[in-house]
Amino acid sequence: DSGVTQTPKHLITATGQRVTLRCSPRSGDLSVYWYQQSLDQGLQFLIHYYNGEERAKGNILERFSAQQFPDLHSELNLSSLELGDSALYFCASGRPITGPGRGNEQFFGPGTRLTVL
Amino acid sequence: AQKVTQAQTEISVVEKEDVTLDCVYETRDTTYYLFWYKQPPSGELVFLIRRNSFDEQNEISGRYSWNFQKSTSSFNFTITASQVVDSAVYFCALNRNAGNMLTFGGGTRLMVKP
Repeated sequence: DSGVTQTPKHLITATGQRVTLRCSPRSGDLSVYWYQQSLDQGLQFLIHYYNGEERAKGNILERFSAQQFPDLHSELNLSSLELGDSALYFCASGRPITGPGRGNEQFFGPGTRLTVL
Repeated sequence: AQKVTQAQTEISVVEKEDVTLDCVYETRDTTYYLFWYKQPPSGELVFLIRRNSFDEQNEISGRYSWNFQKSTSSFNFTITASQVVDSAVYFCALNRNAGNMLTFGGGTRLMVKP
């Protein structure tokens, strides 16, 4: 158990709908990352929040948005859903790695499997 | 730009065989971290190891070992005496110094048959 929680575990919805995925990071971790795993694109970074502020954006569509709240949980909002948005969405909780360099160690939640019909 | 390549998309072995999963990376950063994650059929991503670019020592953990060679930009993963429970998709990833997000390879699906 990584200590990162994600809800819901599964989500089935229709095209055109809007959904919200929720993530709670490990206690003490200020960073939250969102990744999408799809069959054709693999594992891709979407967005990174640190202590409530957006820090980096990856291949995130304009129809998608995220935020991190004062209690550090994060939500990923997906709107105007398309069939191609069906994927496994992971949240990762991050903390700085001690040692040379400035990388982050990331622990992944169990993921939310989104199916768009 | 960063890139991680796992050329082997699928490997099938018989139990007790040794197997090596290849990972080649590209980065312009001088300091970086490399990771391996395991994704079993249940779907979660399980952290296996991280290695920083300053440390080229190989590492062994039980039946798992990792060979990091900066000169060839490779970070290969070997499972000795494979078991059926090792069946999973394995991902190699790169964490750049400044950006902090992970760049993943395409993954290698390992099937260990009894």
